[in-house]
Amino acid sequence: SQQGEEDPQALSIQEGENATMNCSYKTSINNLQWYRQNSGRGLVHLILIRSNEREKHSGRLRVTLDTSKKSSSLLITASRAADTASYFCATRNTGGFKTIFGAGTRLFVKA
Amino acid sequence: NAGVTQTPKFQVLKTGQSMTLQCAQDMNHNSMYWYRQDPGMGLRLIYYSASEGTTDKGEVPNGYNVSRLNKREFSLRLESAAPSQTSVYFCASSEEVQGGIQYFGAGTRLSVL
Repeated sequence: SQQGEEDPQALSIQEGENATMNCSYKTSINNLQWYRQNSGRGLVHLILIRSNEREKHSGRLRVTLDTSKKSSSLLITASRAADTASYFCATRNTGGFKTIFGAGTRLFVKA
Repeated sequence: NAGVTQTPKFQVLKTGQSMTLQCAQDMNHNSMYWYRQDPGMGLRLIYYSASEGTTDKGEVPNGYNVSRLNKREFSLRLESAAPSQTSVYFCASSEEVQGGIQYFGAGTRLSVL
């Protein structure tokens, strides 16, 4: 079964609004990563947060990690139409080589 | 700098036919992966290779075989294709010192009739 579960499954917002996506996972992790996938394309890595970190920023992206709740959130501030894509969280388990992906959140930003 | 290159981009097979999906990376990464993505779903790991000379099963290995030909190349073979293997297949590579950040190819869209 998949490790990461994203919520919501789909999100539609207006340009300029913030978008928040959540991810829950089940086992101990080494790190958690967020990826973006534009329609018909491969996934592109956005940001990685290690298990001993609580928050990380990259441009308009803010990721938080709560290992006690086994959850993470991705915030995209001041969204743009170009942010329309699917976003996936992925967990890297302790001592493993496998990265397990969730089912993704489909974000639609209306211009 | 090509990154991860997958061939072919599209393929249509008849049930029972075989084919090999090719993947090559030019980033000198040790680890390589094959995933499948079905509509509305995330990626499911088929096989992975932590380093040259090793391969291991992922979540959905049945019906597939892999070969890590050298450090650059990792191929996925369907010996007898079935309609349930209709999917988009992605190859990825990573380096552990980078925390396992995955670099993906553009994907192969496979239809099995």
